[in-house]
Amino acid sequence: TQLLEQSPQFLSIQEGENLTVYCNSSSVFSSLQWYRQEPGEGPVLLVTVVTGGEVKKLKRLTFQFGDARKDSSLHITAAQPGDTGLYLCAGLRSQGGKLIFGQGTELSVKP
Amino acid sequence: EAEVAQSPRYKITEKSQAVAFWCDPISGHATLYWYRQILGQGPELLVQFQDESVVDDSQLPKDRFSAERLKGVDSTLKIQPAELGDSAMYLCASSRDYPRDEQYFGPGTRLTVT
Repeated sequence: TQLLEQSPQFLSIQEGENLTVYCNSSSVFSSLQWYRQEPGEGPVLLVTVVTGGEVKKLKRLTFQFGDARKDSSLHITAAQPGDTGLYLCAGLRSQGGKLIFGQGTELSVKP
Repeated sequence: EAEVAQSPRYKITEKSQAVAFWCDPISGHATLYWYRQILGQGPELLVQFQDESVVDDSQLPKDRFSAERLKGVDSTLKIQPAELGDSAMYLCASSRDYPRDEQYFGPGTRLTVT
């Protein structure tokens, strides 16, 4: 049973396009983190959102935590080839403190 | 900037052989995690240490996997005997404190079992 569902699983777009990745769950999380992972490397933390409804911006990336703290989205504006990678969302469970990962979204941005 | 170190980066082994991975967390980080990531999936927690004590090893296949962090600093994850299904990326992460501090990942060890 996948506690965190990411969609889409694969995304191939042209440079300059916008995109949104979704991370959904029926469970409430105390916080949610977004990571980016390149092939053969470990995940690199991009952002942590904690408060329901919170919006954080990191250059062309906008992260939002759902009001009920069950879902999150990542929006990339004017995607560039350097954005290519695996994007992972991970929710921190209130009970037990375990970090639960989604299955990832593989993004390919073509020049 | 401090990083989590892992070695080796790549390991190829035959099934039924023993294999070991090493992790050195960021200095001062009390909590250390070992994850397994199968290609096309997100990481799954195998074991979590707080200092030298195991906090959670509920997903660790204890018949063949073992993990230790004897002095509460670096850690070793061992598989014996390795099986074909163990082929995956093994990631180590550390955090300053548990459970709310952010986790920082190492580069991982890519294991291929033939």
